[in-house]
Amino acid sequence: KQEVTQIPAALSVPEGENLVLNCSFTDSAIYNLQWFRQDPGKGLTSLLLIQSSQREQTSGRLNASLDKSSGRSTLYIAASQPGDSATYLCVTNSGAGSYQLTFGKGTKLSVIP
Amino acid sequence: SQTIHQWPATLVQPVGSPLSLECTVEGTSNPNLYWYRQAAGRGLQLLFYSVGIGQISSEVPQNLSASRPQDRQFILSSKKLLLSDSGFYLCAWSLLGGEQYFGPGTRLTVT
Repeated sequence: KQEVTQIPAALSVPEGENLVLNCSFTDSAIYNLQWFRQDPGKGLTSLLLIQSSQREQTSGRLNASLDKSSGRSTLYIAASQPGDSATYLCVTNSGAGSYQLTFGKGTKLSVIP
Repeated sequence: SQTIHQWPATLVQPVGSPLSLECTVEGTSNPNLYWYRQAAGRGLQLLFYSVGIGQISSEVPQNLSASRPQDRQFILSSKKLLLSDSGFYLCAWSLLGGEQYFGPGTRLTVT
């Protein structure tokens, strides 16, 4: 059974700092991996999707990497802003049907002005 | 572009009362649809998924049920709510093998 672990559980950084969120998973046989953002009391917003054949994806100040062999993914946020404050979720998909998702418990990020 | 709607946004219901949460998707056809629950302090849990009208798969045994009466409509129901049903319910859609897109969620409090 796939397990997804995110470290740290919470992170507080000053505005402008670059930061890395870590995700590890136990079963490397994934179809893809997705990073989401969740604001308090809100739904999930997809940030980046990395297919199993890819090593990284970039969107604006965000860069996500994937190392399937070691069971790790990182989300890099450059020049953090207070608006980046949210919980970030790492999610693996173990099947093409998109219904074999395993969610991490998230990293709660606070960016201090 | 595609959008996903959920309602109601918040709901307070007494134990033993029925439940009906609705989710609709616009701008796509034949999506996979999903219901998740996020309990306080816990991760997201997949409750049901559907790959087509009338096709529902349940991931976790519980007193909830789901139905898909139309291609882009997904309904989560219960005949009698339990206290443990409280949580944040999220609907999502995807195309086969693609990203999942989530709705705004429904906060359910069972009293």
